[in-house]
Amino acid sequence: DIQMTQSPSSLSASLGDRVTITCQASQHISKYLNWYQQKPGKAPKLLIYDASNLETGVPSRFSGSGSGTSFTFTISSLQPEDIAIYYCQQYDNLLGLTFGGGTKVAIK
Amino acid sequence: HVQLQESGPGLVRPSETLSLTCAVSAYSFSSDYYWGWIRQSPGKGLEWIGTYFHSGSTYSNPSLNSRVTISVDTSKNLFSLKLKSVTAADTAVYYCARLPYRSGGGIFDNWGQGTLVTVSS
Repeated sequence: DIQMTQSPSSLSASLGDRVTITCQASQHISKYLNWYQQKPGKAPKLLIYDASNLETGVPSRFSGSGSGTSFTFTISSLQPEDIAIYYCQQYDNLLGLTFGGGTKVAIK
Repeated sequence: HVQLQESGPGLVRPSETLSLTCAVSAYSFSSDYYWGWIRQSPGKGLEWIGTYFHSGSTYSNPSLNSRVTISVDTSKNLFSLKLKSVTAADTAVYYCARLPYRSGGGIFDNWGQGTLVTVSS
């Protein structure tokens, strides 16, 4: 299996702050990396696919970058509605899709 | 707007088979999408269970492979999950999801709301 390691596991930031989450793959996965947002009691929602493509309807304050083994997810200006857990997910190996452990984002 | 809705028993006894269905509304099954299942144990992260591809082929998580069956009923616009020989470790919220063909089967772009299944005697 390809292991996905997210960091930090949790963070606290002020409204308007820039928030960055990283995701490291245990092997090269090219651009095959997605980011999801999960709010309490809700299903995950796709935000970013193929490392840097914004899903339709997702606010432009969300962005992603990276390729190979190292990826970054950024919220340019944290909003109250961004409080959630964020997960990365690789699909380089379709026989073994895997998610990162998640990053919980809270307001300071 | 396509909606996915899981349904099935909320309680399953150990060693029995967990059976869930996912109804897909406002959409007719075609070759544009694949269909998958993901689960989330209480307070834990996300675990891919399996994906149903065209022509009946299915990929399943190697850790679950021999216990998982995923099928599609196009006449009823739904797809199903069966997980055999369950234990308490299979207690989780189960999500069904859609995967666009363009992604090759790797992007979950639309999810059901999830259903909690508890394994207990």
